[in-house]
Amino acid sequence: QVQLVQSGAEVKKPGASVKVSCKASGYTFTSYYIHWVRQAPGQGLEWVGIINPSDATTNYARRFQGRVTMTRDTSTNTVYMDLISLTYEDTAVYYCARDPSSSHRITYAYGDSFNRDWFFDLWGRGTLVTVSS
Amino acid sequence: ETTLTQSPAFLSATPGDKVSISCKASQDIDDDVNWYQQKPGEAALFIIQEATTLVPGISPRFSGSGYGTDFTLTINNIESDDAAYYFCLQHDNFPWTFGQGTTVEIK
Repeated sequence: QVQLVQSGAEVKKPGASVKVSCKASGYTFTSYYIHWVRQAPGQGLEWVGIINPSDATTNYARRFQGRVTMTRDTSTNTVYMDLISLTYEDTAVYYCARDPSSSHRITYAYGDSFNRDWFFDLWGRGTLVTVSS
Repeated sequence: ETTLTQSPAFLSATPGDKVSISCKASQDIDDDVNWYQQKPGEAALFIIQEATTLVPGISPRFSGSGYGTDFTLTINNIESDDAAYYFCLQHDNFPWTFGQGTTVEIK
């Protein structure tokens, strides 16, 4: 079955870190990029970053630079998102979503036009991260 | 960064209604908009790509229109199963951005 299965809910204190996993199954892991997207309570979706499971290349949204790290384990077809120095504003549901990979780079800069279409064609169910003292 | 303004935030419909959701971009993004449906506790479902193309397997009651800065998702003959949160995504320029979402309730 083609799916992305995410790890369970987490409760963390301010200043702590959290590591959320996204395990892919039913397709070739290295043929799809993985995005991370989050949704804070009452807010819209916000793109966090992207990883290429094939070569571990990443690109992060500006506001998360320095706090987020995305990694992958090709032996278990799992992608991880590590977020450090948590604040109450990081309380959100974090989603992973896949996109077909291509020969194009993912190291875009803000404002760059994409040179391909993007799909976000398969999503995980989300992981609730609650930051609370 | 392209801002997507989605409206309405909430709409209530009766089975059989035709409903429309708007997604307006802060700059010209050609047809680089996708639409998604998300039900509580479920993974989001990809329903419309490139503004107007129905994703295979999705009910033809869903349709998309628009180009440039104004986009619309239309649901014809709405059914109770269509109750969900709908959002748009732009993939014209980096970073990817999303509309604020629309919750559709079926009376």
